[in-house]
Parts: sequence; structure tokens; C-alpha cells
Amino acid sequence: GAGVSQTPSNKVTEKGKYVELRCDPISGHTALYWYRQSLGQGPEFLIYFQGTGAADDSGLPNDRFFAVRPEGSVSTLKIQRTERGDSAVYLCASSPDRNQETQYFGPGTRLLVL
Amino acid sequence: DAKTTQPPSMDCAEGRAANLPCNHSTISGNEYVYWYRQIHSQGPQYIIHGLKNNETNEMASLIITEDRKSSTLILPHATLRDTAVYYCIVSGYSGAGSYQLTFGKGTKLSVIP
Repeated sequence: GAGVSQTPSNKVTEKGKYVELRCDPISGHTALYWYRQSLGQGPEFLIYFQGTGAADDSGLPNDRFFAVRPEGSVSTLKIQRTERGDSAVYLCASSPDRNQETQYFGPGTRLLVL
Repeated sequence: DAKTTQPPSMDCAEGRAANLPCNHSTISGNEYVYWYRQIHSQGPQYIIHGLKNNETNEMASLIITEDRKSSTLILPHATLRDTAVYYCIVSGYSGAGSYQLTFGKGTKLSVIP
């Protein structure tokens, strides 16, 4: 079946601009995670959704970052007033339920802030 | 911080078994050991997980020591497509509602022809 998809695959923006990154999880998966991966590092947790609600947003670095999942399926990660330090690969993962650490990752969105 | 320690890099000859070690001396009784790998420019891929018994699936075997303080991921017949960064993760309920994965830097496995 279809895996996790993320769009766009690459995004180049200018400092100060607003960006939206989209994640389509595996159909039926209720748990959705966003991670960020800087060059040479492992992915770092940003936020977790169980259904429509953000159950854990402790990994968001500051209030410029926000994510939604209004219908419990597709999720959008939003970054306001982008900074050069936001440049990274943003990964989305989904899981069948909350008590499940087997997560299925998408290919990521490569964000470059100039 | 990651709760695991892995060598930064390893080489393995194609067709040979690749044995990737991981130390997790502070693991708690209800925490699982998970292995993921990340091939260049792709998202991480789940490989296998275990609690205390050895596990095997179509991709790999996981050997966990009796005291659970270390484990080894075994790829029985490594191919060039197994070249990737391998992450050993000790995971459990975060206390804040999620089973987030805490990645370290992993082991970069290079399979040599």
C-alpha cells in the first residue's frame, strides 16, 4: 500500500518568509509525528498528534513553529518568519496507534532558507 | 539525550554478516530496543525491535544480552543496498503523551564490494 508522503520534496525560501510543509500519513494511522533532521545529525522530535489533537508539542523549538491536523489525517507543519537556522530535512512519520513505537517515515521535505 | 552508544562507523564485506553493536546500560524494564536505518536521502526505515528475547524477521536478527544492557543487530548477508546509517533506540512512553523516538548519531555501515 501507499506509504507516508510529504510535499514538497524540496523547498527554497528567503529569510523571513512563511512556509507550509504537508504530510499524508498511511491511511488509518491515528498517530502522526514530525521530526527535524539537521545535516549529520539524527532526527529530532518536534510534535505528536493522536487523531486531530497535538498531544505532545514539547519538541517545537519556538512559537514560529506550528502544526495542525484538522481532520485527523493530513498534517501541515507551518513555519513563520523563517530563519537560516531552520534549514533542515523535515520528516513525518505515522503509526497505527498511540501505543506503537513502530513508526513509518516519509521521505522528508528539504527546506533551505536563504 | 540518546540513551544508547554506538560506534560511529563500520565496514562489512558484501555477502558477510554485519554485526552492529549498541550499548544501553541505563535501559528500564519496560523499555524496548528499536533499530531503524536511514539510507542516504531517505526517511528512516524500521528494522526490528525487542524487549528481552532475541528476535528475527525477514530483514535482520536482534540479539539482546540477558542483562539487557547491550544488543547486536545482525544483517546475515549484507548487500550494497544495506549501506546506511543504523540507529539503535531505546524507547518507551515519554510521559507527555507520545512514544517519540530519540535518535543518536547512529552507526554508518559501509558495505564493501
